[in-house]
Amino acid sequence: QKEVEQNSGPLSVPEGAIASLNCTYSDRGSQSFFWYRQYSGKSPELIMFIYSNGDKEDGRFTAQLNKASQYVSLLIRDSQPSDSATYLCAVDSGAGSYQLTFGKGTKLSVIP
Amino acid sequence: GAVVSQHPSWVICKSGTSVKIECRSLDFQATTMFWYRQFPKQSLMLMATSNEGSKATYEQGVEKDKFLINHASLTLSTLTVTSAHPEDSSFYICSAGPGAYEQYFGPGTRLTVT
Repeated sequence: QKEVEQNSGPLSVPEGAIASLNCTYSDRGSQSFFWYRQYSGKSPELIMFIYSNGDKEDGRFTAQLNKASQYVSLLIRDSQPSDSATYLCAVDSGAGSYQLTFGKGTKLSVIP
Repeated sequence: GAVVSQHPSWVICKSGTSVKIECRSLDFQATTMFWYRQFPKQSLMLMATSNEGSKATYEQGVEKDKFLINHASLTLSTLTVTSAHPEDSSFYICSAGPGAYEQYFGPGTRLTVT
């Protein structure tokens, strides 16, 4: 069974610091990796996706992928209180499936 | 990013009645849409995969006769909760994507069954 593991947190960082969120996955056939942000009471919002090994940067967000280690991470630079949310890691099911497997999420709190 | 809408955003119904939730892709066509359920402080749970023009695929433990899914067009999927009971009260969210893997979520529908 495909699994996506995340530290549930909460992860607390001071405002302006770098927040580092980690995710491991079990299926070596997975090709696409996603990070979603979910505010309390709201639906998830796609913030980053990465397909290739290495880093992908978008504004204050950097996704890092290491397929050999089956590890994907999200760095948030200059963290803001508005970044406080639950971050969900998602991995595709491979074999042409559109279905994603989600981790349980890491709750991030940015302290002003 | 792509836009997915849901209607209604919230609904209250009496036990034993049925509720229909709509999911629309506004600026792209989606042959596949997904329906999730999320209970408070819990993670997303995939309920079913909605396929345009064919039967939905349900996850293990999800009653297909209770949660009816119809994907009648490339931009619309509906989830009908039949004979709703208080334990069906939850946050129902659909997702769809314009590409092979990117999935965008609708804003969700909060269902309360009294």
